[in-house]
Amino acid sequence: TAGITQAPTSQILAAGRSMTLRCTQDMRHNAMYWYRQDLGLGLRLIHYSNTAGTTGKGEVPDGYSVSRANTDDFPLTLASAVPSQTSVYFCASSERTVTDTQYFGPGTRLTVL
Amino acid sequence: DQQVKQNSPSLSVQEGRISILNCDYTNSMFDYFLWYKKYPAEGPTFLISISSIKDKNEDGRFTVFLNKSAKHLSLHIVPSQPGDSAVYFCAARSFGNEKLTFGTGTRLTIIP
Repeated sequence: TAGITQAPTSQILAAGRSMTLRCTQDMRHNAMYWYRQDLGLGLRLIHYSNTAGTTGKGEVPDGYSVSRANTDDFPLTLASAVPSQTSVYFCASSERTVTDTQYFGPGTRLTVL
Repeated sequence: DQQVKQNSPSLSVQEGRISILNCDYTNSMFDYFLWYKKYPAEGPTFLISISSIKDKNEDGRFTVFLNKSAKHLSLHIVPSQPGDSAVYFCAARSFGNEKLTFGTGTRLTIIP
């Protein structure tokens, strides 16, 4: 069972360039989330989606956008990357809302130079 | 403003002994708490949770204790095993809020 897959595994990106981090789940979960993990700050929620067609802002949404065209995919886009967006990004999903256990993907390590 | 705090960035415990990881929170509206475990180069995995209506939840070697008056929860692992070496995150949420708030993590090292 794949669960949640993320691509790419890692990426080095020049500042000012755009990039989309991909996330796909095969569990037919309704809710999906994007977090970033930074040393000393834990995991912080960027954006979330309770169901296909809806999205919401998390704790640190600035500089990021998401879309949820279908149940399985939840891409995260950086329109114009800045060095402060260097981080490890985790996608997660849960069956309904945050009341259910969240399952995490393996992460994407992004470095913005 | 860190609403969920794990004040110990690291902890080393001898194999077979008890590991105790601590977490403090400031938001009295939090009513559900979780512990996640993370190995290097992997995503966090759910370990155990507790609702605010309970003060203890046990699952095998893992027990979570909640002290609501002190706004404190702890994870006990006994006996500790080498495979328990990982980073542990506590997380909390309040009813009706879609957001999980995570602590900064504690790196647990089990010494053989």
